[in-house]
Amino acid sequence: QKEVEQDPGPLSVPEGAIVSLNCTYSNSAFQYFMWYRQYSRKGPELLMYTYSSGNKEDGRFTAQVDKSSKYISLFIRDSQPSDSATYLCAMSAYSSASKIIFGSGTRLSIRP
Amino acid sequence: NAGVTQTPKFQVLKTGQSMTLQCAQDMNHEYMSWYRQDPGMGLRLIHYSVGAGITDQGEVPNGYNVSRSTTEDFPLRLLSAAPSQTSVYFCASGRTGITEAFFGQGTRLTVV
Repeated sequence: QKEVEQDPGPLSVPEGAIVSLNCTYSNSAFQYFMWYRQYSRKGPELLMYTYSSGNKEDGRFTAQVDKSSKYISLFIRDSQPSDSATYLCAMSAYSSASKIIFGSGTRLSIRP
Repeated sequence: NAGVTQTPKFQVLKTGQSMTLQCAQDMNHEYMSWYRQDPGMGLRLIHYSVGAGITDQGEVPNGYNVSRSTTEDFPLRLLSAAPSQTSVYFCASGRTGITEAFFGQGTRLTVV
């Protein structure tokens, strides 16, 4: 069993829709939870970062972490064609960038 | 501001050949990592370093060597290339106490 499981998609929604992306994990030691966005043929870039359980909002993006269920989510409101990318959840037990474990990624397409 | 620079961007190798993928960062980050990205597998950690002279294995280290003689550089060596090493390779760096990883643009490697 992989430490981090992510719905693979692909996911295609119309512009303006609310998007929900999810990951589950098995390692109770994970304390740091992230979402990275990766455009085609580019390196991943950090989108959202959450420490421990709770919600975090940044503009149209909301990240949720439920450590009791080992489940994290990313919500995108009022989705735009520019949001079309692959979204990777990522987790770590350490407060450093040395051992980050990534999900397999969900490819998202927003239709104009 | 260069960030994380990877060279080459593309490479084709024959089975059994060796080569070194270069990675350099100009942000004075302590942590550096190498990942490989394969379809449906997400990013998998190959090797990482927490500082000059210190390296450790990640999830998929077999067939790869690393060294960290300076803070800026973290080369990845393929000892004897195999078709199973066909992948996109990403180098990342990060600071002490912060989980965010900054990625390079990737090296697309094909082994024939």
